Amino acid sequence: DAKTTQPPSMDCAEGRAANLPCNHSTISGNEYVYWYRQIHSQGPQYIIHGLKNNETNEMASLIITEDRKSSTLILPHATLRDTAVYYCIVRVAHSGGSNYKLTFGKGTLLTVNP
Amino acid sequence: GAVVSQHPSWVICKSGTSVKIECRSLDFQATTMFWYRQFPKQSLMLMATSNEGSKATYEQGVEKDKFLINHASLTLSTLTVTSAHPEDSSFYICSARDGGRASNEQFFGPGTRLTVL
Repeated sequence: DAKTTQPPSMDCAEGRAANLPCNHSTISGNEYVYWYRQIHSQGPQYIIHGLKNNETNEMASLIITEDRKSSTLILPHATLRDTAVYYCIVRVAHSGGSNYKLTFGKGTLLTVNP
Repeated sequence: GAVVSQHPSWVICKSGTSVKIECRSLDFQATTMFWYRQFPKQSLMLMATSNEGSKATYEQGVEKDKFLINHASLTLSTLTVTSAHPEDSSFYICSARDGGRASNEQFFGPGTRLTVL
């Protein structure tokens, strides 16, 4: 799986949009970009994933650059409960066996301030 | 939907004893389950992958005889830490892949905090 690079930490004001960047310059054509987050002392939570088109769901939006070498996760109106470590992971989708495994990097600690 | 539970949520045990952690998919059939370990201020590290009815595949450096994994049904996987020592104290997290979905998102349990005295 391609490696990703994320800033170690970011701050965001409550109610403002949080934009979390991720670089994945070695991504392959069949690799998807997945985002998970982990609130302190809890298990990770799936947020969103995409291949090349921008994606949006009830939690966030995912913007992937045209060359697919980077992406941005957008939380449109951050709340205090969004404070967590956000992980950007690239991996092949729709594959079998142990290829389903996720490799977590260090992620970005997003702190939403009141 | 797609809820994964773990039991217990925390456990304290004496050095040398064995501890079993359960991971259950509550509303879907999990063809593949994963066990992770997370030390304080570190990221999740995959320990092993298990498919229902077959032996688990362990990551390099993880002792299969120390961390016994059983995935006997499509909704239950167990991790047994045998002869636990203080260095095994960690946050253990399982995840499960919904075999009924085409995509690869995994659903994680809430984690089990193990403290070995």
